[in-house]
Amino acid sequence: AQKITQTQPGMFVQEKEAVTLDCTYDTSDQSYGLFWYKQPSSGEMIFLIYQGSYDEQNATEGRYSLNFQKARKSANLVISASQLGDSAMYFCAMREGRRGYSGAGSYQLTFGKGTKLSVIP
Amino acid sequence: GAVVSQHPSWVICKSGTSVKIECRSLDFQATTMFWYRQFPKQSLMLMATSNEGSKATYEQGVEKDKFLINHASLTLSTLTVTSAHPEDSSFYICSASRGGAKDTQYFGPGTRLTVL
Repeated sequence: AQKITQTQPGMFVQEKEAVTLDCTYDTSDQSYGLFWYKQPSSGEMIFLIYQGSYDEQNATEGRYSLNFQKARKSANLVISASQLGDSAMYFCAMREGRRGYSGAGSYQLTFGKGTKLSVIP
Repeated sequence: GAVVSQHPSWVICKSGTSVKIECRSLDFQATTMFWYRQFPKQSLMLMATSNEGSKATYEQGVEKDKFLINHASLTLSTLTVTSAHPEDSSFYICSASRGGAKDTQYFGPGTRLTVL
């Protein structure tokens, strides 16, 4: 079973409108982290936003917010006031386990298949 | 902060040659670096995880003798594709993490490898 599911291969949004990119996840861990990355055509993966499983409030970073619904295991990305430069691939990712971890090293990320967002002028 | 560089950004080589790709964390010390491979229109596939000073951990199906990883310092990891063949042509991208509560991975700009 997929751990990260992004059901929208492609999305279109009008410039200046808001758009929601869906992400659902599957884990039995109590402690985990959810990330969204943007990958423009240049290829670089740009970190957008992080949500910890114990965070009580939804994460926000500028025009990006994460609609975290823990019981439904969903972590949708909301982009407000879309801009032409937002056109890119968007990947949702999950890191399982972290809270109380005191060892060296970091945990792996599991990525979804991505959603291609196109912003229309 | 949290800038990761990767060099070269693209490389074309002949079949049978070896290619080295460098990944550097420029403004932080990375406890762990990751190497990914990405095929066109697909997601990232983790190849290996490396911690400074220890051997890399390879994912199932990744040949460690073909993809040599050296994590010499807290700011530098290298991936060497040995005896490259056309099927090794791909986009290789590294990431670095400094640990901490969020444990965010910051990615380099990637290297496009074309093997003729």
